[in-house]
Order: sequence, then C-alpha cells, then structure tokens
Amino acid sequence: DTAVSQTPKYLVTQMGNDKSIKCEQNLGHDTMYWYKQDSKKFLKIMFSYNNKELIINETVPNRFSPKSPDKAHLNLHINSLELGDSAVYFCASSRGQGDNYGYTFGSGTRLTVV
Amino acid sequence: LAKTTQPISMDSYEGQEVNITCSHNNIATNDYITWYQQFPSQGPRFIIQGYKTKVTNEVASLFIPADRKSSTLSLPRVSLSDTAVYYCLVGDPTDSWGKLQFGAGTQVVVTP
Repeated sequence: DTAVSQTPKYLVTQMGNDKSIKCEQNLGHDTMYWYKQDSKKFLKIMFSYNNKELIINETVPNRFSPKSPDKAHLNLHINSLELGDSAVYFCASSRGQGDNYGYTFGSGTRLTVV
Repeated sequence: LAKTTQPISMDSYEGQEVNITCSHNNIATNDYITWYQQFPSQGPRFIIQGYKTKVTNEVASLFIPADRKSSTLSLPRVSLSDTAVYYCLVGDPTDSWGKLQFGAGTQVVVTP
C-alpha cells in the first residue's frame, strides 16, 4: 500500500503544452510538498502546503500552479511547458511542524519536454 | 539554514563499513541533523536523525561530536543494495515545513 503515490511516473510532452502531475498520500500527514530534482541531483523545494493552505512558494515561475483539494492530495499543474522544465518532480509529505520523522517521498515523475 | 558539505562520491566493497562525513559549521542550536538515502528512480528515504552524540537504528548509525559542526553517517557491512545517494540535511524540524534543501549528496557505489 503506497504511502505517497504520484502519477504519471513518466511524462513526455512538447514545448508549449499544459500538463498536470497528481499526488496522493495515505499517511494522514498534514503537510505536502513538491520538489524538483535536476540533472545534478539537487532537490529544490517548490511548494509546501499545510492543511490545504499554501505555506511556501519558492521562486517558481507562475506557470507552475499547485492545487490541494484536500490535505491528502497535492497536484501540480504546469502551463506552457519549456525545455528547462525537464526534470524529476517529487511529491512528499510530513506530519508538519514538530515532525522529527522526516519526509516521505513519492517515487517521482520524470518530465521530459521536447 | 545551515549549509552542509559532504563528499561527492565514495566507493566501497561489499562487507565494508562506509562512513560519510558531513560538515555543517554554522549549525544552529535548534537544528537537527537528518540523513536521507535515494536509490535510482526513487524518492529520497529518511534513514536517521540526531541532535548530539550517537544515534543508531537498524539501517545506520549517526555520530555527532560535541561541537556539532560535523556528523558522520556510518553504514555497517554494506551490500550492493546500499548503492545510493546519501543526503545530509541540517535544520530545525519544528520550523521546517519544506525549508530543508537537499544538496548534491554523496554517491556511494558498492562493488562485489
């Protein structure tokens, strides 16, 4: 029973298209995140939601828009995709503030923009 | 946030102990040290966290000296399946909420 699941696992699309990545967690966690991992393996926080409210929005282009319909789901919609958006996107969750048990990550979505 | 420095890569043979040292000279009083492990095509996985001295679990041990300016992750008797990237993070878990940034990590390669 997967704790944090992302779909799709692979996504190949053309420049200019709009795409979405879905994430669901069944851990009962209050906080969810989106991370972007580039080719050099750096993982950078993009967004953080706590109980459906946006907490962190790092310097991410407006083309990226997260949506949290409930605290178990955090989806990522990307408009007008660019070549530089190619990366692996990870969803994660945690118990929130005071969490000493770290984050639980999904298996990632490899986005390739051609 | 405390900046961390760790080796880019380490090679080991099966059955050996692997020690990865992470430097974090500007660690703050409330900061904890957390290590994650990432296998290819998977998300990072939490393996251990500590504040001071020594912490041990079924996967690894974490050694933290008194000044807390560095820490060492110890993987006992590694196997091929321990080949992964290991990330050291330093931050206040009560104030994290995604502020933790992952560096490039240490690529550990275990060979027969």
